[in-house]
Amino acid sequence: EDQVTQSPEALRLQEGESSSLNCSYTVSGLRGLFWYRQDPGKGPEFLFTLYSAGEEKEKERLKATLTKKESFLHITAPKPEDSATYLCAVHYGGSQGNLIFGKGTKLSVKP
Amino acid sequence: DTAVSQTPKYLVTQMGNDKSIKCEQNLGHDTMYWYKQDSKKFLKIMFSYNNKELIINETVPNRFSPKSPDKAHLNLHINSLELGDSAVYFCASRPRGLKETQYFGPGTRLLVL
Repeated sequence: EDQVTQSPEALRLQEGESSSLNCSYTVSGLRGLFWYRQDPGKGPEFLFTLYSAGEEKEKERLKATLTKKESFLHITAPKPEDSATYLCAVHYGGSQGNLIFGKGTKLSVKP
Repeated sequence: DTAVSQTPKYLVTQMGNDKSIKCEQNLGHDTMYWYKQDSKKFLKIMFSYNNKELIINETVPNRFSPKSPDKAHLNLHINSLELGDSAVYFCASRPRGLKETQYFGPGTRLLVL
């Protein structure tokens, strides 16, 4: 069964403590992998798209990487304002394809 | 200058009622979507639609129907609401040719009593 699994479910960090979030997937015909940030009571906000293994994207303290089986979202020296739920989504398959989301990682950064 | 907007933001209603949620995007995008996010925060696609094609997730009950009066709007009609329909519903849009980046609305929180 095609799946997207994110780990950990929740992560608590101290300000400045770098870490990584994982998104592993088992799909055929990957077309793209997306990272979103979702704040409480709001819609997901697009962060990155990755299309092929080895690709990396960076934005401020965030860096996303992609392999053939998983993606990592690295957070360097996080700040309290980075606290949010981070969602991974995978677009795969032919024609219009399919898009499935992981359940997210809830990140809390304490000052 | 909101990009993707939804109304209402909150909707509380009785079981068995029929309700609609509206979505508008002012980005000029070609494709729009409806998602359901349940209590476990799992986001699941319900429909994708452009002016040529409607793609329905086969797990969505036929009580749910999207209606698009024009390219900038995709409304969601729900008939005979059930308790299990309680969730947050997100509208999203995507431009043609810009791969698969989607822009989400703020969500509509539906509670069925």
